[in-house]
Amino acid sequence: SQQGEEDPQALSIQEGENATMNCSYKTSINNLQWYRQNSGRGLVHLILIRSNEREKHSGRLRVTLDTSKKSSSLLITASRAADTASYFCARSGNTGKLIFGQGTTLQVKP
Amino acid sequence: GAGVSQSPSNKVTEKGKDVELRCDPISGHTALYWYRQSLGQGLEFLIYFQGNSAPDKSGLPSDRFSAERTGGSVSTLTIQRTQQEDSAVYLCASSSDRGVIQYFGAGTRLSVL
Repeated sequence: SQQGEEDPQALSIQEGENATMNCSYKTSINNLQWYRQNSGRGLVHLILIRSNEREKHSGRLRVTLDTSKKSSSLLITASRAADTASYFCARSGNTGKLIFGQGTTLQVKP
Repeated sequence: GAGVSQSPSNKVTEKGKDVELRCDPISGHTALYWYRQSLGQGLEFLIYFQGNSAPDKSGLPSDRFSAERTGGSVSTLTIQRTQQEDSAVYLCASSSDRGVIQYFGAGTRLSVL
């Protein structure tokens, strides 16, 4: 399969804790994106990191990219109950289509 | 303008019937994508339209699936002779350029009985 692997598949934490999700992929990339999905419906773009970048921040989000290991991680700091969702990494395949990982389901308990 | 709009939001059909799913992309976006999300297969790419170029149909699972995009805007995904394994959420996305951020609709949840 061309899909990447994400771990953990599920993560449950308390509000205020940090959440880390990991993504691995198999082929070279131009960029890697992270998306969030609530309740199994539409996805929302969170952050994009280019292949020549190693780290990127956006608010409480921090993304790292290690192209030598073909892996990326998403860190959510000071988590909130509203962060409860599924998170997917995605890389651009040929013609711009996105190839998604299997996703991590995050539950943040109040 | 408004975000990506998909209709219907839910569709229940009987096995063997044809269904049409509609997607209105963000105004001005030249690229339009269809994906399918099911429990067993995760998020799968189906088809991609970019401007006036021939669509990339490489993700369509069978010849029962087809899609068209009229006037470079609205797209319709058609599934003929639906099967129970077609039950899934069908997501549409658009973008202003190839390979960058995609904006997703809320999806159509298709249930084939």
